[in-house]
Amino acid sequence: AQSVTQPDIHITVSEGASLELRCNYSYGATPYLFWYVQSPGQGLQLLLKYFSGDTLVQGIKGFEAEFKRSQSSFNLRKPSVHWSDAAEYFCAVGVRTGGFKTIFGAGTRLFVKA
Amino acid sequence: EAGVTQSPTHLIKTRGQQATLRCSPISGHTSVYWYQQALGLGLQFLLWYDEGEERNRGNFPPRFSGRQFPNYSSELNVNALELEDSALYLCASLGQGVADTQYFGPGTRLTVL
Repeated sequence: AQSVTQPDIHITVSEGASLELRCNYSYGATPYLFWYVQSPGQGLQLLLKYFSGDTLVQGIKGFEAEFKRSQSSFNLRKPSVHWSDAAEYFCAVGVRTGGFKTIFGAGTRLFVKA
Repeated sequence: EAGVTQSPTHLIKTRGQQATLRCSPISGHTSVYWYQQALGLGLQFLLWYDEGEERNRGNFPPRFSGRQFPNYSSELNVNALELEDSALYLCASLGQGVADTQYFGPGTRLTVL
């Protein structure tokens, strides 16, 4: 069965520090992979996605993610975090089995300290 | 291009009442998905509509229902509201092409008193 694991429930980083959010997935074929961000009480905004090609994907707001097939991972990174990045981040896998389905991880809440 | 829209932004009901939530997908998108995001429970898949038909539903009781209209907008109805139905309800529409991607609306915050 397909699944997405985000091992960190919450992470705290200092403003200006680098960030890496972890994501591991379980899926038999090459998946569509996504990262979404959600500010409190808001909807989900797509940060970036991977479906094929270059395994390093650039997204909005200075985020990037790297697909590593051997590790079944799709970690999100940002070189320098801003206070406005504080939010919840969801990793997701898109699969096509009789229709399209997105499977979400439980999310990682990012806190940014001054 | 306008994004996914949802209404109302907030909805307050009492236990036993019915709630109706609305969603308009991105122009050209024919699939609409509904999710419930209760506090501490992550995103739970509720319903999927495509071309006016319900294609799949998550593990929710029948009092959660909906429909999709000819213009692809959608309505989620929750009957006999219970306190635990209080949540953020998110709608997403599906963009198909090189990579299928769900785009989310801002959500409707439903509070059941």
